[in-house]
Amino acid sequence: GQQVMQIPQYQHVQEGEDFTTYCNSSTTLSNIQWYKQRPGGHPVFLIQLVKSGEVKKQKRLTFQFGEAKKNSSLHITATQTTDVGTYFCASQGGSEKLVFGKGTKLTVNP
Amino acid sequence: SAVISQKPSRDICQRGTSLTIQCQVDSQVTMMFWYRQQPGQSLTLIATANQGSEATYESGFVIDKFPISRPNLTFSTLTVSNMSPEDSSIYLCSVPNPSGASYNEQFFGPGTRLTVL
Repeated sequence: GQQVMQIPQYQHVQEGEDFTTYCNSSTTLSNIQWYKQRPGGHPVFLIQLVKSGEVKKQKRLTFQFGEAKKNSSLHITATQTTDVGTYFCASQGGSEKLVFGKGTKLTVNP
Repeated sequence: SAVISQKPSRDICQRGTSLTIQCQVDSQVTMMFWYRQQPGQSLTLIATANQGSEATYESGFVIDKFPISRPNLTFSTLTVSNMSPEDSSIYLCSVPNPSGASYNEQFFGPGTRLTVL
C-alpha cells in the first residue's frame, strides 16, 4: 500500500533557528497534507498541496510539493516555543482515508 | 469545519475487558475514520465506518477485536474487545471536511487515552 517516509524523527532547535521536516514516497502522490499535533492534543490540519512544484506559505511556515509529486517538505523559519509539537505528513489513498508519515517531533529550547 | 467529541476522554481498564468509545460529530458525514496512536507513534487507520454498511477494516485489524457501529450520520462507536496491555493507545475518530470545500482535510476528535493494566 501507499507509504510515506518522514525524516527526521526528532528535531531539537534553539528558539529562532529554522526547522525542516521531509516526506518522501516511492510512488506519485495525488496530494500531500500536513498536520500538527501539540503535546497531549490531536492532529490539526495545516495545509494540502496538490500541484507539482507547489509552494504555499503560512506566516513562518513554507510547504513544498516536489515536481515529481513524490516528496514534500515543511520549513519553519525562526522557530518559536509555540511551534513545539509533532508534524505529520499524510497522503490520501482511496476513499479519502489518510496514510500518515511517522512524524517529526519538534522541541524548541527557549 | 466539524466539531467532534469523544467519550470517554480517558480510561484505565483491566485486561480481558472491553471498552466502547463514542464519537459524535456536529454535522452529517458519510465517512468516519477510527485511528490508533500508540505512545510516541504515528496514527494508524483501524477502519472506515460508513453509515448503513459494514465498516471497512485495514490490514491487521479485525471486526472481532474492534467492532464498530455507525447508526446514523453523526455518530459512531468503536469497541476495543478483550483488551491486553498492547491495546494501550490513544484512539481517535476523524471525519473529512463536511462542507464539501476543495480542501478535503480531516478533522479529528480529541482522542480517548486508553491504558490497559
